Amino acid sequence: GAVVSQHPSWVICKSGTSVKIECRSLDFQATTMFWYRQFPKKSLMLMATSNEGSKATYEQGVEKDKFLINHASLTLSTLTVTSAHPEDSSFYICSVYRNLEAFFGQGTRLTVV
Amino acid sequence: GENVEQHPSTLSVQEGDSAVIKCTYSDSASNYFPWYKQELGKRPQLIIDIRSNVGEKKDQRIAVTLNKTAKHFSLHITETQPEDSAVYFCAASRGGNEKLTFGTGTRLTIIP
Repeated sequence: GAVVSQHPSWVICKSGTSVKIECRSLDFQATTMFWYRQFPKKSLMLMATSNEGSKATYEQGVEKDKFLINHASLTLSTLTVTSAHPEDSSFYICSVYRNLEAFFGQGTRLTVV
Repeated sequence: GENVEQHPSTLSVQEGDSAVIKCTYSDSASNYFPWYKQELGKRPQLIIDIRSNVGEKKDQRIAVTLNKTAKHFSLHITETQPEDSAVYFCAASRGGNEKLTFGTGTRLTIIP
């Protein structure tokens, strides 16, 4: 069965608005979750590491004030894209580890118009 | 930080032939090397992985080899089938629950 669930699967928003993406671990607790971004025909690039109860760790070049991460519980991490612009249009995927194996959410296709 | 290079970027093989994809990594502390298959618009799916305490691992038509001295690892798919067509990514991490660094991907096309 699924290990991690991500919602929504796709979203279209207007430029300047904010979008929240949820990542839930199913039936187990995840103190750490990872957020990746994938542009068309490109690889997955790590954006940030979400840590339960503490601040996220952002990769170099990722704006922490633009991509807000909240990991308020052991089963839920959220990524909020603030003031979205067309260049933020991408495929966002979360990931968690269980038993030393990485599992991925379904991904969220964000289109900013 | 870790840097993972992957070759080739595209690969076309006749159905039934073998396909080989190669990756190199830079971080000598990396010890976990998974391979993922990703279909368009879908999440990556783990197809095989290898840890640094072994040099080779096989699962039916799929095998992975690891050379830690040279810092490279390879994916081998034998008896390819049309359903093997997809994008394949290698990745590396320091193990445990550490972040993954992905290769650039290989688009594999199986020609019927």
